[in-house]
Amino acid sequence: DVKVTQSSRYLVKRTGEKVFLECVQDMDHENMFWYRQDPGLGLRLIYFSYDVKMKEKGDIPEGYSVSREKKERFSLILESASTNQTSMYLCASSRPGGGYNEQFFGPGTRLTVL
Amino acid sequence: AQSVTQLDSQVPVFEEAPVELRCNYSSSVSVYLFWYVQYPNQGLQLLLKYLSGSTLVESINGFEAEFNKSQTSFHLRKPSVHISDTAEYFCAVGSGGYQKVTFGTGTKLQVIP
Repeated sequence: DVKVTQSSRYLVKRTGEKVFLECVQDMDHENMFWYRQDPGLGLRLIYFSYDVKMKEKGDIPEGYSVSREKKERFSLILESASTNQTSMYLCASSRPGGGYNEQFFGPGTRLTVL
Repeated sequence: AQSVTQLDSQVPVFEEAPVELRCNYSSSVSVYLFWYVQYPNQGLQLLLKYLSGSTLVESINGFEAEFNKSQTSFHLRKPSVHISDTAEYFCAVGSGGYQKVTFGTGTKLQVIP
């Protein structure tokens, strides 16, 4: 059974802390994505990566950075967490190519910043 | 640029009644269209997709969607819903040569017993 796993289901952090969200996929996919999901706003792309050490900004990259040192692992970093980054974070992966490939999602990490 | 509009944020429907969840898109190039479903406390999973060919696509659990190019729509339908269909449904659009997919804001389907 193919899988995308995320390191935590729930996370509580304090304002100003550095936060790491980890995502691992076992499908040997080239593409990996980080989204945040907020009520009424749907999914918004933060960053995506199409290869190891390669990354591109999505629609809302401010306040975030990413790291992809290995093909199966894609990390989202909040350099200095703020309360407006309280959200559900979803990781996804897909095969390379155009926008016709199915994305496979992890279960999500619900982050609360106090 | 591409975008997706899901006008209905919530759709309540009685069990065994039909349902339609609306999705309209805009894109300057040819498109690929998807419906994803998110059950409570889970990530999204693909329900069905249109890439090319027949404009009517079906899922294994009785949902269907029809690609209508003239109306730029990809509405999702089911003739008879079950309690287990209660979930949030996301329409998404992708385009060739562009690896990102744009998601709509989602429609919560609530099936009432």
